[in-house]
Amino acid sequence: GQNIDQPTEMTATEGAIVQINCTYQTSGFNGLFWYQQHAGEAPTFLSYNVLDGLEEKGRFSSFLSRSKGYSYLLLKELQMKDSASYLCAFMDSNYQLIWGAGTKLIIKP
Amino acid sequence: GAVVSQHPSRVICKSGTSVKIECRSLDFQATTMFWYRQFPKQSLMLMATSNEGSKATYEQGVEKDKFLINHASLTLSTLTVTSAHPEDSSFYICSASDGTSGYNEQFFGPGTRLTVL
Repeated sequence: GQNIDQPTEMTATEGAIVQINCTYQTSGFNGLFWYQQHAGEAPTFLSYNVLDGLEEKGRFSSFLSRSKGYSYLLLKELQMKDSASYLCAFMDSNYQLIWGAGTKLIIKP
Repeated sequence: GAVVSQHPSRVICKSGTSVKIECRSLDFQATTMFWYRQFPKQSLMLMATSNEGSKATYEQGVEKDKFLINHASLTLSTLTVTSAHPEDSSFYICSASDGTSGYNEQFFGPGTRLTVL
């Protein structure tokens, strides 16, 4: 079967670093996505990993280990505007996105 | 580039009425469009996938006669919620793909908040 799991909620302090983990199980894999979603808005694309390793993009980095079925999103120098839900999703063998429930990130001053 | 619009952004209707939601790709041709539903604090649930000019493929458990999807052109798809009931109240999001990126990147519309009274 297929499943994907990420923590429901995390809290971090402005200026700090936070790592949001995502684990998944699937027989067919065509990459893993991270999206940011502010309340009441549609998701916006953050990153895509299909090979193992770390992809850095400004303050955000995403890591993938296919053998472990594991990914994380690393956010550095947190800003208040980073308060949002972060969704991980993998693309299965049919190129469909299978979504996690999202991690609500709360940033405190 | 890669902008997707949705209309309306919010709609309130009475139980039993039908509601049409439009999804447009503004600056690219969307060979595939996706319709999602999201309940509060839950994940995106794929309802159906549509390719231009062909019938939509519905996910298991989604009633095709209740959620009518039309993808008449490469820039427009519509979702009609027929005989809406309060349990249909949700956030409906469309996304579109032009199939050019190696990973079939989906570009999301801003969503439509449907409230059925």
